[in-house]
Parts: sequence; C-alpha cells; structure tokens
Amino acid sequence: GENVEQHPSTLSVQEGDSAVIKCTYSDSASNYFPWYKQELGKGPQLIIDIRSNVGEKKDQRIAVTLNKTAKHFSLHITETQPEDSAVYFCARGTYKYIFGTGTRLKVLA
Amino acid sequence: EAGVVQSPRYKIIEKKQPVAFWCNPISGHNTLYWYLQNLGQGPELLIRYENEEAVDDSQLPKDRFSAERLKGVDSTLKIQPAELGDSAVYLCASSTSGDEQYFGPGTRLTVT
Repeated sequence: GENVEQHPSTLSVQEGDSAVIKCTYSDSASNYFPWYKQELGKGPQLIIDIRSNVGEKKDQRIAVTLNKTAKHFSLHITETQPEDSAVYFCARGTYKYIFGTGTRLKVLA
Repeated sequence: EAGVVQSPRYKIIEKKQPVAFWCNPISGHNTLYWYLQNLGQGPELLIRYENEEAVDDSQLPKDRFSAERLKGVDSTLKIQPAELGDSAVYLCASSTSGDEQYFGPGTRLTVT
C-alpha cells in the first residue's frame, strides 16, 4: 500500500533529552525519505532527508536512519530545546510524497 | 532567496461561493505542487506541474477544483462552488526535481 505509518502521535520530552520518531512504509520502490517540521500556522519546513543508498545522515542535533530491509526510517533529535516543539512529518517518494500522520513533539522546559 | 509565496493567508467564504488561491514558487523551480492538509493530518497531493503542464492531477476533484500555471511560474488553484468539507489548509510547494520540496505558508480556507 501507499500509507506511511508514523509513531508516536504525541511525544513529550524534557529539555535536553533525546526524541525519536519512527516511520514504516511498504512500497519497496521508495528511495527518498524527507522529514518536515511544521509549526503552528506555518507550512512544513524540510529539516533533513535521506536517500536509499545511505543508512544514516546527520545534521547537527538531527539525524535520520534508514533500514531498507525492514522498511523503516527514524528521526533522532538530541539535546532537545523548547524551539523543537512542533509537529513532525515523515514522507516517502519522489514527486508524489506520501506523508505520515505526524508526531506532535513537546519539549518541556 | 525568497521562499514560496502564497496568498491570501486566510479566506472565509460561504458555501457555494467560488474561491481562488495564488502561489509564486521559488525562482528557478520548474516543478510546482498543490497539496491539501486537513486538520491533524499530513499534506495530500492535489496536482503537480512540470513547467506549465499538469503531469499528475489524479487526486484533484475535477468537478469543482481547477488549477492553472499558464506561464510556467505562478499558479492559481480554484474551487467553484466551495463545500463545507473543503475547509482545510491549501499548501503550495516547489522543487527543481522530485526531491527537496519546499512549502509555502499555506492558505487556511474556512467554508461556512
């Protein structure tokens, strides 16, 4: 199927702790996996992406891992800060993105 | 570099009225997308343009929705007539390829 399953739907962490969001997919042909951060009243902002020929990618406090065999990919945020609070969406595909259902992350100061 | 521009940001209309949304993509981005985002859900693709050609409009409800990108830059999405269920955020995105889509702020439509 086309769907992308995303878990958890909500996540609360203490400031400074790590947050992990996981997505699973079923389409073996997918080879591009972006992550978006959406703040209230704004459009989704691309924060990191990974392609199928790479297992892990890191950008400062944000990292994404991809397991093509198991068909899942995860977003890791370390040393969380209050400004990381937002809704995060995973997606898969090229041109036609299929988005996950979103994770509302709350970082508690 | 300016991002994707959308207007209006908010629109409230009565059902059965027409409404139009405008999008200006990032300069140089040939591919333009319109997405629909319902509350609490991820965006869903309505239509994709490559320059002025609509190459994927399979998800566009063509009985009431239409779109155009006449000169391959700006685009307009129209709904006529609007229904209560059309209340949502309409997002425009652009890219140079199928990857790395950049989204605008969206237009929040409320149909009463």
